[in-house]
Amino acid sequence: EAAVTQSPRSKVAVTGGKVTLSCHQTNNHDYMYWYRQDTGHGLRLIHYSYVADSTEKGDIPDGYKASRPSQENFSLILELASLSQTAVYFCASSEGLGRSSYEQYFGPGTRLTVL
Amino acid sequence: KTQVEQSPQSLVVRQGENCVLQCNYSVTPDNHLRWFKQDTGKGLVSLTVLVDQKDKTSNGRYSATLDKDAKHSTLHITATLLDDTATYICVVGDRGSALGRLHFGAGTQLIVIP
Repeated sequence: EAAVTQSPRSKVAVTGGKVTLSCHQTNNHDYMYWYRQDTGHGLRLIHYSYVADSTEKGDIPDGYKASRPSQENFSLILELASLSQTAVYFCASSEGLGRSSYEQYFGPGTRLTVL
Repeated sequence: KTQVEQSPQSLVVRQGENCVLQCNYSVTPDNHLRWFKQDTGKGLVSLTVLVDQKDKTSNGRYSATLDKDAKHSTLHITATLLDDTATYICVVGDRGSALGRLHFGAGTQLIVIP
């Protein structure tokens, strides 16, 4: 079964501070994604990556950077955390081609609170 | 503009009852539609995926339909259990590959009471 883990599971950060959220997958998947979930709204794509050492902007990339140092690891970086970035962040992975690429496997989420 | 609308926003049923969740969308193209279950504080777990123009799937007590002409999907849960308490999220994919985008609904919060 696909396995995506995230760390930390929750974090409290101060406004203006730097925050790094980490994601690790053991599925040998090419694609990895970062989403944020806000109460009452659907998940929105922040950044994604289809190969190590390369990242792409999603629909809401402003205020976020991403890093893919290896196929297994994908980080989301908030250089200057702001109150509006309080949310739950989900990482996901998927294969690139074929019918199996229909599905993304999600991590358990990281609850980030910026004070 | 929200492209995936789910209804109802929340729903309370008694254990053993059946329920139906609705998903309407305006995503184009609409390659596939997937229903996820999200337990409180957990990630999204796929329940079923629908692909064809008029599709039906069944996965135990979960069954789903898709009508691409109407851009509408339903998720039926029969004989609900307390463990069915969760948020159910409808997701429309605009391509059949990882190059496409997933469009997420806000979810229907289902509460099953004894």
